[in-house]
Amino acid sequence: DAKTTQPPSMDCAEGRAANLPCNHSTISGNEYVYWYRQIHSQGPQYIIHGLKNNETNEMASLIITEDRKSSTLILPHATLRDTAVYYCIVRVDTNAGKSTFGDGTTLTVKP
Amino acid sequence: DAGITQSPRHKVTETGTPVTLRCHQTENHRYMYWYRQDPGHGLRLIHYSYGVKDTDKGEVSDGYSVSRSKTEDFLLTLESATSSQTSVYFCAIRRELTGELFFGEGSRLTVL
Repeated sequence: DAKTTQPPSMDCAEGRAANLPCNHSTISGNEYVYWYRQIHSQGPQYIIHGLKNNETNEMASLIITEDRKSSTLILPHATLRDTAVYYCIVRVDTNAGKSTFGDGTTLTVKP
Repeated sequence: DAGITQSPRHKVTETGTPVTLRCHQTENHRYMYWYRQDPGHGLRLIHYSYGVKDTDKGEVSDGYSVSRSKTEDFLLTLESATSSQTSVYFCAIRRELTGELFFGEGSRLTVL
């Protein structure tokens, strides 16, 4: 699975959009981009994933660049409860699809 | 929550003792995983399973063994616990159709 690079920390004002970047320059054509978040010491929570098209669900939007070497997770209206560690991972969506998590980005939403 | 239950949720043990953590799922998923997470770090894959009696190593498998004798249970065993295995352990299942992972609530293990 391709390696990802994320900034260690980011701040965002409550009510504003939070844009979390992820670099995955060695991604292969059959690897998906997944985003998870972990609040406090809870188990990580799935947010969204995509292959090459932009995706949106009730939690967030995922923008993947045309060359697929980077992506951005967008939380359109961040709340204090969105304060968490956000993980971007890439993996092949076949077989065991074992996922390797990096250190993620700690997002702090401030009032 | 994908019906994942981890037990025990908290355990304190002494160096050299065996420890078994259990992950139980109720939705019949094929793929199950064990991760560990240490303070300030992301999750590291210990072992995973792709079916009954089918398991493989992850990136930090030394000192750990696993077993999966039935679909719903994935056991992680520390044969002789060491202080370096003090950690929070997360079990996860993978939904085959969509690929996302769902995690249990974690088991906090302290080895004295």
